[in-house]
Amino acid sequence: GENVEQHPSTLSVQEGDSAVIKCTYSDSASNYFPWYKQELGKRPQLIIDIRSNVGEKKDQRIAVTLNKTAKHFSLHITETQPEDSAVYFCAANSGGSNYKLTFGKGTLLTVNP
Amino acid sequence: EADIYQTPRYLVIGTGKKITLECSQTMGHDKMYWYQQDPGMELHLIHYSYGVNSTEKGDLSSESTVSRIRTEHFPLTLESARPSHTSQYLCASRSGPNNEKLFFGSGTQLSVL
Repeated sequence: GENVEQHPSTLSVQEGDSAVIKCTYSDSASNYFPWYKQELGKRPQLIIDIRSNVGEKKDQRIAVTLNKTAKHFSLHITETQPEDSAVYFCAANSGGSNYKLTFGKGTLLTVNP
Repeated sequence: EADIYQTPRYLVIGTGKKITLECSQTMGHDKMYWYQQDPGMELHLIHYSYGVNSTEKGDLSSESTVSRIRTEHFPLTLESARPSHTSQYLCASRSGPNNEKLFFGSGTQLSVL
């Protein structure tokens, strides 16, 4: 099955700095890679996703890059703000018809004012 | 409002009790999932369903069972709760093969004494 590794487990940055979270996956058939944000006490919510036919995708201050050859993808947050503080999860789908998302262990991002 | 609802939000019970965690979605989604979230953040898939009368076990072994008699309803049952079942349980759904976005419920925080 799919295995997703996520680093770092915790990340602390100053407001205005950039934050980068990295993930690797094992299943070469995986073709969909979402990122979820979970604020304290709340449900995970999709913030950005990328498919394997695209190398990079941006949405305002958030971007995701994908390297299929190396099987890794990254989340980039620029000009971080205190409201970006949350746990971020990467995920990858299992290839084939049995659709399942496998999540990384999460990264606790703290943005200090 | 179309959403995915979980009840109860919090549950504290004694060892050996039978419990059912409720999950309902009003979005007409075929696919539904149960994730167990560790106190340290990691999300583990424990059950999923592709539609009515379809249930599958996930990646993490679980003593719970699920049923899918109606499209909108996907309850999870523990026949005899133990302290090791203490965790947060998140229900999720998505619409179909070309829409991979997962919508999560607010979760049930279960504590077994």
